[in-house]
Amino acid sequence: SQQGEEDPQALSIQEGENATMNCSYKTSINNLQWYRQNSGRGLVHLILIRSNEREKHSGRLRVTLDTSKKSSSLLITASRAADTASYFCATEGDKLIFGTGTRLQVFP
Amino acid sequence: NAGVMQNPRHLVRRRGQEARLRCSPMKGHSHVYWYRQLPEEGLKFMVYLQKENIIDESGMPKERFSAEFPKEGPSILRIQQVVRGDSAAYFCASSPPVGRQETQYFGPGTRLLVL
Repeated sequence: SQQGEEDPQALSIQEGENATMNCSYKTSINNLQWYRQNSGRGLVHLILIRSNEREKHSGRLRVTLDTSKKSSSLLITASRAADTASYFCATEGDKLIFGTGTRLQVFP
Repeated sequence: NAGVMQNPRHLVRRRGQEARLRCSPMKGHSHVYWYRQLPEEGLKFMVYLQKENIIDESGMPKERFSAEFPKEGPSILRIQQVVRGDSAAYFCASSPPVGRQETQYFGPGTRLLVL
């Protein structure tokens, strides 16, 4: 079974709005990573947050991690049409275990 | 610095044929991972290799699937006697030799279709 479960499964927003995606997992982790996958393409690594970190920023991305609730969130601020993609969280360092992803659609 | 390269990008095979998928890691990376993605699902780990060694193959089906990462050349994922259920996207990732819990860089994937 999947370790990571993203929520929502699909999200549609207008350009300029913020998009928030959540990820829940089941077991203890060393780190959690977020990836983006454009349709028909490979995965692109976005950000890694370690288990002893609570929040991390990278450009328009903000990731939070709550190990007590076994959950993480990815916030994309001021979204753009180019942000349209599927977003996956992945847990564990060596054997990455992915969720099924959140499909984000950003309308111009 | 070229990224992870995979070829072919698309592969069509008939049932019973063999499929060979190749992965060239990023320069300086000695760790390679293979993942399979079924339609509408996330990636599932298959195997983790270092040069000439299989480190973890706990995600590999017991039969028909094999992987290698020779001293020279790309990593190969080999599927013998393919069946329709093998149709999927197969992604390779690589990471530098500093430990297993570092960022993995993914290739564009090989999309296998079994007719």
